[in-house]
Amino acid sequence: SQQGEEDPQALSIQEGENATMNCSYKTSINNLQWYRQNSGRGLVHLILIRSNEREKHSGRLRVTLDTSKKSSSLLITASRAADTASYFCATDADNAGNMLTFGGGTRLMVKP
Amino acid sequence: GAGVSQTPSNKVTEKGKYVELRCDPISGHTALYWYRQSLGQGPEFLIYFQGTGAADDSGLPNDRFFAVRPEGSVSTLKIQRTERGDSAVYLCASSGSGGITDTQYFGPGTRLTVL
Repeated sequence: SQQGEEDPQALSIQEGENATMNCSYKTSINNLQWYRQNSGRGLVHLILIRSNEREKHSGRLRVTLDTSKKSSSLLITASRAADTASYFCATDADNAGNMLTFGGGTRLMVKP
Repeated sequence: GAGVSQTPSNKVTEKGKYVELRCDPISGHTALYWYRQSLGQGPEFLIYFQGTGAADDSGLPNDRFFAVRPEGSVSTLKIQRTERGDSAVYLCASSGSGGITDTQYFGPGTRLTVL
């Protein structure tokens, strides 16, 4: 079963615009991670945010975490065509060992 | 350095056959994970190894699925009597020590198709 839900399921924007994806989860967590996946194959780790952190930046990526609402958002600024991919949030629940529980993903298309 | 590698990249088999999928983790990583991803879904956890032992196999769907990691490095996921519902991409990941802040690094996956 999947803990998280991503919103929206699909997003289409023009190059240069910002893209915002949201993730909600159900149980308390140790950390939340965002991954990118191209063409349904390997996942590339983007960023990890710990449960005691509220915001984190990495290049054009900004992640926020609100543990009271059990939600996170991923913002990609100044998007590029190469950002076209599926984006998944994954949680490391504090009562579920070391496994990651993934959401269903947001399919982002950035049009040149 | 080299990332996680998985072989084969694609495997087509017939219903009822036995398959083995291999994962080579990043050198020195003690934790290894298997996930399964169906089309249009996020990955779902199958099993987690810490060293040679399976620390958590709660995600294995039934007893047709089995995984080993005899020397604490390479792992093999074994599926007996394959069914069409087993068709998916099987992903392997490794992390340094399996700690709660460890990043899991994923391989490219093996796409299994059961005809």
